[in-house]
Amino acid sequence: QVQLVESGGGVVQPGGSLRLSCAASGFTFSSYGMHWVRQAPGKGLEWVAFIRYDGSNKYYADSVKGRFTISRDNSKNTLYLQMNSLRAEDTAVYYCAKDLGDDWGQGTLVTVSS
Amino acid sequence: QPVLTQPPSSSASPGESARLTCTLPSDINVGSYNIYWYQQKPGSPPRYLLYYYSDSDKGQGSGVPSRFSGSKDASANTGILLISGLQSEDEADYYCMIWPSNAWVFGGGTKLTVL
Repeated sequence: QVQLVESGGGVVQPGGSLRLSCAASGFTFSSYGMHWVRQAPGKGLEWVAFIRYDGSNKYYADSVKGRFTISRDNSKNTLYLQMNSLRAEDTAVYYCAKDLGDDWGQGTLVTVSS
Repeated sequence: QPVLTQPPSSSASPGESARLTCTLPSDINVGSYNIYWYQQKPGSPPRYLLYYYSDSDKGQGSGVPSRFSGSKDASANTGILLISGLQSEDEADYYCMIWPSNAWVFGGGTKLTVL
């Protein structure tokens, strides 16, 4: 069955960087676009970024544009989110999800705090 | 980015039906989009329930009971999630989502309480 497993979350100081990973299995990863979605504590869902199946196009929410970079390695069935210049408001659980929206990972918590 | 409007809360009793709404802004026609619905319980990721475009174009998530169904009210520019035969386990947050151009847009979520 489809599995999406995020990793790489943790505590980082404001201005710092972090790279999240999402290991995919149970489907043909290279055939699907992938999203990152985040959820701040006690808040709703916020879309972060999308990458097409072959990495040819990438799209970002205005709130992260210029600071976050989505990428993928289809040979490793892995999705990435490089997060730079982190701010307190980036504190959230980050989920990866298949582009049909039908499969999500369990999420990884990123805390930006001094 | 458009904003989808969901009532912050709703409640109903076990066995009754709950009708959760998701209103699109006036410049976005509900008839042009799939409306996706998610259920989220505390400490868990969102669970995909279904999508609804029309009666002939809809899909149910894997293992999602048929008492969860979708529809649209074009006159109100609104997507609807209907949960019939409410059970205590249906108490959760529910989110709607559309996929305009290369970005997902979520509603703010409705907290459903099963009294």
